[in-house]
Amino acid sequence: DTAVSQTPKYLVTQMGNDKSIKCEQNLGHDTMYWYKQDSKKFLKIMFSYNNKELIINETVPNRFSPKSPDKAHLNLHINSLELGDSAVYFCASRPSTGFGGYTFGSGTRLTVV
Amino acid sequence: KNEVEQSPQNLTAQEGEFITINCSYSVGISALHWLQQHPGGGIVSLFMLSSGKKKHGRLIATINIQEKHSSLHITASHPRDSAVYICAVRIGTDKLIFGTGTRLQVFP
Repeated sequence: DTAVSQTPKYLVTQMGNDKSIKCEQNLGHDTMYWYKQDSKKFLKIMFSYNNKELIINETVPNRFSPKSPDKAHLNLHINSLELGDSAVYFCASRPSTGFGGYTFGSGTRLTVV
Repeated sequence: KNEVEQSPQNLTAQEGEFITINCSYSVGISALHWLQQHPGGGIVSLFMLSSGKKKHGRLIATINIQEKHSSLHITASHPRDSAVYICAVRIGTDKLIFGTGTRLQVFP
């Protein structure tokens, strides 16, 4: 009954490959996010979507492309993976009305070799 | 310099001690969040504050908007409180800026 679920949990891939991370939330939230946590454990926003519309695109390389087929899903596709893309990627969601807090997925640890 | 600064970076305590983690920020915010990241990596939202004080069990969070400062307190700390505590501020169109986190270890 996971509220925000990400798949896969671990992803090991070679440089130059293309990979996707999927995120789904069953909370009925309108807004979804992707965050990146680097090797120093520092979190930074990458993207946010509200009702399938891109709201925040935070100076992320064009190789990263989010896709939101509906408001319950926000997938992250990464082209031509580089060593520096290795990190933990967290999906999160929040209701856009009222003053609701964030619910985070369990994270996807991406290792590029 | 990060827009959100936390102190201390690392904190060790004996079980039962009162813990305080501080967060200062330099930007205008719409809300401040305290998050907990366990050793397993999952992130849990503890509090969202725009003014005053909130309490949940042994956790208390306060914010002073004028001084741009927030504190997270843990009363009667327990080894299961060991985690990284992250302060994050929400600005503009729903963007979160994170502090670097405070690693707390509570020993029995």
